[in-house]
Amino acid sequence: GQNIDQPTEMTATEGAIVQINCTYQTSGFNGLFWYQQHAGEAPTFLSYNVLDGLEEKGRFSSFLSRSKGYSYLLLKELQMKDSASYLCAVRALYGGATNKLIFGTGTLLAVQP
Amino acid sequence: DTEVTQTPKHLVMGMTNKKSLKCEQHMGHRAMYWYKQKAKKPPELMFVYSYEKLSINESVPSRFSPECPNSSLLNLHLHALQPEDSALYLCASLPRSGGARETQYFGPGTRLLVL
Repeated sequence: GQNIDQPTEMTATEGAIVQINCTYQTSGFNGLFWYQQHAGEAPTFLSYNVLDGLEEKGRFSSFLSRSKGYSYLLLKELQMKDSASYLCAVRALYGGATNKLIFGTGTLLAVQP
Repeated sequence: DTEVTQTPKHLVMGMTNKKSLKCEQHMGHRAMYWYKQKAKKPPELMFVYSYEKLSINESVPSRFSPECPNSSLLNLHLHALQPEDSALYLCASLPRSGGARETQYFGPGTRLLVL
């Protein structure tokens, strides 16, 4: 089956660093994405990993270990606007060239002053 | 034009109504998706169209009927919905290149309320 787990909620302080973990068990793994979603808005793309290791993109970094079925999103120098839901999504192949995203439960991050 | 648009932004309908949601992208993308998202839950995939053909139907009830008239347009026809169908309906599209790093682009969503 397909299973993707994240912590439900996290709280952090402005200016600090926070790590949001994601563990997954899926078939047909073809990459892992992180999205940010503010309440009532569409998800926006943050980062992508398909090989093991760290991908850095400004204040955001994402790590993947395929053997462990584990990823994390690291947010540095937290700002109040980073308060949002963070979605881990695994891309799975679904026959031929069709692929689909399977989303984790999402982590609601609250950044406090 | 680098966005996915959805109309309407909000929709209230009764259980006997027939309505349609519309999604449009002019980026030449090859795949388009419908997702349903309940409050405080992740998006759930409903349908995938690849090159204008339905390639995935995630066992969605027949009261939801997708249609892809052309490569830029995706509709979701609604009929005899239930109050539990109230949710944010998101459309997304995937670039034609389909490279490993390509991500789905999401529209702003239609917030649907079924009374």
